[in-house]
Amino acid sequence: QLQLQESGPGLVRPSETLSLTCTVSGGSVRSSNYYWGWIRQPPGKGLEWIGSVAYSGNTYYNPSLNGRVTVSLDPSKNQFSLRLSSLTAADTAVYFCARLPYTHNVMNAWGQGTLVTVSS
Amino acid sequence: QSVLTQPPSVSAAPGQKVTISCSGSSSNIGNNDVSWYLQVPGTAPKVLIYDNNKRPSGIPDRFSGSKSGTSATLGITGLQTGDEADYYCGTWDRSLSAVVFGGGTKLTVL
Repeated sequence: QLQLQESGPGLVRPSETLSLTCTVSGGSVRSSNYYWGWIRQPPGKGLEWIGSVAYSGNTYYNPSLNGRVTVSLDPSKNQFSLRLSSLTAADTAVYFCARLPYTHNVMNAWGQGTLVTVSS
Repeated sequence: QSVLTQPPSVSAAPGQKVTISCSGSSSNIGNNDVSWYLQVPGTAPKVLIYDNNKRPSGIPDRFSGSKSGTSATLGITGLQTGDEADYYCGTWDRSLSAVVFGGGTKLTVL
């Protein structure tokens, strides 16, 4: 059974860069059928897709994040990562990692989520 | 402001039926398959419906999905108190080249 687990700092300072990792077990990030992505949810608010990466290296990013996002794969560790730069308080959220088919029509496996607070 | 529009809340009595709408446009729902998620606060979303009307293994047939034009609908029959949660629709938007979600609907089982 596929499992995803996020890891990273719970507190980051404004203007800094957030780095999160998602470790995949029970499946491989090398699969050609899937993308691996990140979604976030600010406290008390709805879901926002951040970006996705495929084993081919192809990526999609939410244009609303204005180029601050990088999503990458590390097949040797069966992990994928998120980097989000120029943080502000508005980036405070629970960050989820997920698996998506190439159509991006569904996120069919999710990590449990990790809360990231941006504060000095 | 979400790209997909859902009612903020719906409510119904136990045993009754409820529907949740999700309205979009030709760049998203009109030309792509829709998925629906259930989220209990403090937990990760769970897929209820994918490809407009398909249920993953383990999702009871009390949950159903449909799509017509640029709108989609989630139906839940035989409401139980355990169905109280937030529900989200989502799909791909070809104009934005982005996954888009509705703002979420809070279901209350009275």
